[in-house]
Amino acid sequence: GQQLNQSPQSMFIQEGEDVSMNCTSSSIFNTWLWYKQDPGEGPVLLIALYKAGELTSNGRLTAQFGITRKDSFLNISASIPSDVGIYFCAGQLGAGGTSYGKLTFGQGTILTVHP
Amino acid sequence: DSGVTQTPKHLITATGQRVTLRCSPRSGDLSVYWYQQSLDQGLQFLIQYYNGEERAKGNILERFSAQQFPDLHSELNLSSLELGDSALYFCASSAWGSGSPLHFGNGTRLTVT
Repeated sequence: GQQLNQSPQSMFIQEGEDVSMNCTSSSIFNTWLWYKQDPGEGPVLLIALYKAGELTSNGRLTAQFGITRKDSFLNISASIPSDVGIYFCAGQLGAGGTSYGKLTFGQGTILTVHP
Repeated sequence: DSGVTQTPKHLITATGQRVTLRCSPRSGDLSVYWYQQSLDQGLQFLIQYYNGEERAKGNILERFSAQQFPDLHSELNLSSLELGDSALYFCASSAWGSGSPLHFGNGTRLTVT
């Protein structure tokens, strides 16, 4: 089945630093999404990308949908302590695929921000 | 608040037992998804329903079953529970069956002893 390789697995950074993480797939997705999960809670949608090459921002977060449709990256600028959590990429085949709306998730990036 | 409601928040039960997890999707969302999250397996897709009908199946065990009711809420039934079934179970909903982002509830933490 499809697998997403997300890297890095973990990051330890100082407050104010920029962060970059990425996801690669062995197959094409029509939608890429990035989620953040805090302890004891469900994943929260950060950014959704619908077109190859699309670059989308949400505050200090910026994500891009790779041209090949097999990868995506997420950047966080000027990190703050509340950015701590686990970040997941997810791919969705969407319309036309047999998997319909289900998401395939990466293994997550654990982000720790030191004040 | 994602608008997706899951109950109960925690569940502790013994091996061999059966439990039911409940999910209410966001208002207006037609599709419901169930995911299992464990430390070693990450977020694994179990099953999807769209407007009451099963739409896609993932790595769902035969001991597990789900359904979506006419009011669009969903239940995940787990039977003959084993220690390895201990995990977080998330429900998510989306507006349509495909092409729309998923919004997750806060999960049910199942502990099998």
